[in-house]
Amino acid sequence: YELTQPPSVSVSPGQTARVSCSGDALPNQYVYWYQQKPGQAPVLVIYKDSERPSGIPERFSGSSSGTTVTLTISGVQAEDEADYYCQLGDNSGTYFGGGTKLTVL
Amino acid sequence: QVQLVQSGGDVKKPGASVKVSCRASGYTFISNAINWVRQAPGQGLEWMGWISAYNGHTNYAQKFQGRLIMTTDTSTNTAYMELRSLRSDDTAVYYCAREVARDWLDPWGQGTLVTVSS
Repeated sequence: YELTQPPSVSVSPGQTARVSCSGDALPNQYVYWYQQKPGQAPVLVIYKDSERPSGIPERFSGSSSGTTVTLTISGVQAEDEADYYCQLGDNSGTYFGGGTKLTVL
Repeated sequence: QVQLVQSGGDVKKPGASVKVSCRASGYTFISNAINWVRQAPGQGLEWMGWISAYNGHTNYAQKFQGRLIMTTDTSTNTAYMELRSLRSDDTAVYYCAREVARDWLDPWGQGTLVTVSS
């Protein structure tokens, strides 16, 4: 599977950031999102396209439409600056998008 | 809380092998598979494979077939990843992660830096 993400997204504090992930397999698979800050391990922020794990702020949400899934961060804060990766898995393995660097201006 | 703690960083020469450990706590170890993911400096995440902690069944990414071995020790709740015939482009941070519902990875270990250099 090939998952395509934009290399970078920039937003000002308080605005809404949208990170997309595209792939032909997406209509038939759940997608998961991870946040990775510099020097840290990835952290799950969205599972099954739109579910939020406990402890993840409500400003993080996910949606899916056709061959594109989107991670939305509403009211972006400086602490949200990080790399974001989409992921899907099936019996053959696990696949990651190339990652998107979110910059908070 | 669920936690994965990995072994410390290592420096290896080309051609050598490295073995990274991942000790799990806070859940029933045999209930979940463990995945291994690596990240080269400045690069994205690369899935390497997974191992069932229940029965030891493995699934390796084709790229690593023949030089990757994953094992588990259920007596110590520890998973191991051994990579052989190391090359300079194997220099990376190696992560273990618990697989949930056969789909997502949560949590991840803190990562182990493996440097391959002559």
